[in-house]
Amino acid sequence: AQRVTQPEKLLSVFKGAPVELKCNYSYSGSPELFWYVQYSRQRLQLLLRHISRESIKGFTADLNKGETSFHLKKPFAQEEDSAMYYCALRDTDKLIFGTGTRLQVFP
Amino acid sequence: DSGVTQTPKHLITATGQRVTLRCSPRSGDLSVYWYQQSLDQGLQFLIQYYNGEERAKGNILERFSAQQFPDLHSELNLSSLELGDSALYFCASSATSSRTGNEQFFGPGTRLTVL
Repeated sequence: AQRVTQPEKLLSVFKGAPVELKCNYSYSGSPELFWYVQYSRQRLQLLLRHISRESIKGFTADLNKGETSFHLKKPFAQEEDSAMYYCALRDTDKLIFGTGTRLQVFP
Repeated sequence: DSGVTQTPKHLITATGQRVTLRCSPRSGDLSVYWYQQSLDQGLQFLIQYYNGEERAKGNILERFSAQQFPDLHSELNLSSLELGDSALYFCASSATSSRTGNEQFFGPGTRLTVL
């Protein structure tokens, strides 16, 4: 079955520390993966997608088909990165979301 | 605001009642998606419409139905409401459907509370 797993509900780090939010997926086919972010009281918005291979706000994510992972990384966390992060897998027309990880960055 | 809009922002109702949630997609987007976000289930896909026609169905209860109108706005109808239907309901839109790299843009959500 198609599934996205985010094992951490909460990740707390201090400003300037490296961050890695984990995402594993299960998909029979060629996956298309996304990271969405939801800042406090704001709507869900796309952070990045694996096909773009870009860095947004210092975040990067590499698709590892061998490990079926799409972890989100940032070398130096900022306080404004505090938010809910959702990993999502595209399955034909719909998105399958993980349960999300709340990132807290302390000053 | 040319983004996805949803009304109402909040809805409080009683068990057994029926409500309608409304979504207006981004200008030019033909696809509309509905998602339910609850504490225990996370974000779950409910249903998708493309240019007025149902395109895909997810974990949508029979008590729930949706439609997309000629002007492309969509409504999600929830009937015989139960306490467990309390959740945040998101609408998203995209330009096309089933296309690699096609981004879904989300609305602010409607928070439904069933008492």
